[in-house]
Amino acid sequence: GDSVTQMEGPVTLSEEAFLTINCTYTATGYPSLFWYVQYPGEGLQLLLKATKADDKGSNKGFEATYRKETTSFHLEKGSVQVSDSAVYFCALSYTGRRALTFGSGTRLQVQP
Amino acid sequence: DTAVSQTPKYLVTQMGNDKSIKCEQNLGHDTMYWYKQDSKKFLKIMFSYNNKELIINETVPNRFSPKSPDKAHLNLHINSLELGDSAVYFCASSQPGQIYGYTFGSGTRLTVV
Repeated sequence: GDSVTQMEGPVTLSEEAFLTINCTYTATGYPSLFWYVQYPGEGLQLLLKATKADDKGSNKGFEATYRKETTSFHLEKGSVQVSDSAVYFCALSYTGRRALTFGSGTRLQVQP
Repeated sequence: DTAVSQTPKYLVTQMGNDKSIKCEQNLGHDTMYWYKQDSKKFLKIMFSYNNKELIINETVPNRFSPKSPDKAHLNLHINSLELGDSAVYFCASSQPGQIYGYTFGSGTRLTVV
């Protein structure tokens, strides 16, 4: 079956540091890939997505590229802010036809 | 307007009680889901309905029963609550064929004491 593996957290960074959160996946077909963010006490929000190989999703300074050859979708941001502190989830699915399969989440803590 | 709304936001109840969580979406989506998020933040699919028809029923105790009176609503009823049911439950919706992803409700934090 499909699965998503994320790096364990927490990831602790100073403000303006570079962020990478690793995500790799195993899939039987050709899924769409997503990053969701969960701020403290809130629900999940879609951060960015990519629907096919070599697509780059981007939003709010975050980027991730769908790499079929390495089955990866790593999340990056050049300069994090305290307000980016949250839990980040990598996920896959098939254009809304099935439930999302989530990774275990990575908590990011950004210190001033 | 809230796209996916869940009620209640918080629910504290005693072991053995029966409780329901309601979910409504106004996006016109055909598919709705219930996810459970445990204390370690891991998210796992419980149920999925497409146009009122159950299409995903993961390994969940039969004390959990989803009900979809119409495609805009998916409620979750839990019988004989146990301590291990304490979690955050998220409702979500999606539209097959669309690439916009899934829209989540804000969650219901269930605490069983």
